[in-house]
Amino acid sequence: ILNVEQSPQSLHVQEGDSTNFTCSFPSSNFYALHWYRWETAKSPEALFVMTLNGDEKKKGRISATLNTKEGYSYLYIKGSQPEDSATYLCALDQGGKLIFGQGTELSVKP
Amino acid sequence: EPEVTQTPSHQVTQMGQEVILRCVPISNHLYFYWYRQILGQKVEFLVSFYNNEISEKSEIFDDQFSVERPDGSNFTLKIRSTKLEDSAMYFCASSALRAFFGQGTRLTVV
Repeated sequence: ILNVEQSPQSLHVQEGDSTNFTCSFPSSNFYALHWYRWETAKSPEALFVMTLNGDEKKKGRISATLNTKEGYSYLYIKGSQPEDSATYLCALDQGGKLIFGQGTELSVKP
Repeated sequence: EPEVTQTPSHQVTQMGQEVILRCVPISNHLYFYWYRQILGQKVEFLVSFYNNEISEKSEIFDDQFSVERPDGSNFTLKIRSTKLEDSAMYFCASSALRAFFGQGTRLTVV
C-alpha cells in the first residue's frame, strides 16, 4: 500500500513566523499531488494541484513546490497569521484515487 | 463548480441508536471517502470506497461502521450502535482528478 507521509504532525508558531512542512511519497508514478487546507468544522479547501517535477505554485502567502524525482512536496507559509491555523493535507492522485497523508496541524498564536 | 452534498447537516441521536449519514458524490466520480473530525482533535481518515467495495479503512472503522452505495448515487456511512465518542463532524469526499468534499454532518450522540 502506497504511504504518503507528512511531517511534522503538528506545528506551533508565532504570528509573523514563516513555516514549511513536507509531504513525502515513495513513487513518482502518479498523476498529481494535491494540497488541501482544512479548518476545524469546515469543509477542506483545495489549495494546489501540482503535476510536474519542479512545479511551483503560489496563492497569496502560501506556496508549494514539487520534486517527483526525490518524492516530496513542500508547503511554505510566509508570515503566518492566526487565520492560517488549520490542518494541511496532501494527497497523491493515482488517476482518480487519492491517497491522503495524515496531515500537519498548524497553530499560529497571535 | 460541482458539489458533494451531505445530509443531514446536523444529527442528534441517543447513544446506542443507529445513524445513517448520507452523501451525494459528484456524478462521474469513482472514488469515495469518509473522514471525521472530533472537536478539538485531528482530522481522521475512516474509509475509502471504489467499485462497490472498501479499498482502504482505518483502525477506527470497526464493525460498528459500514458504507454502501445503495442506489448508484448516494454514498452512506452507517454507525450501528452509536457511542458518545462518535460525536464528530463527518465529511464525505469523492474524487476523479481532485477530491471534492461535502460540507460535513455534525453528529452529536447524547
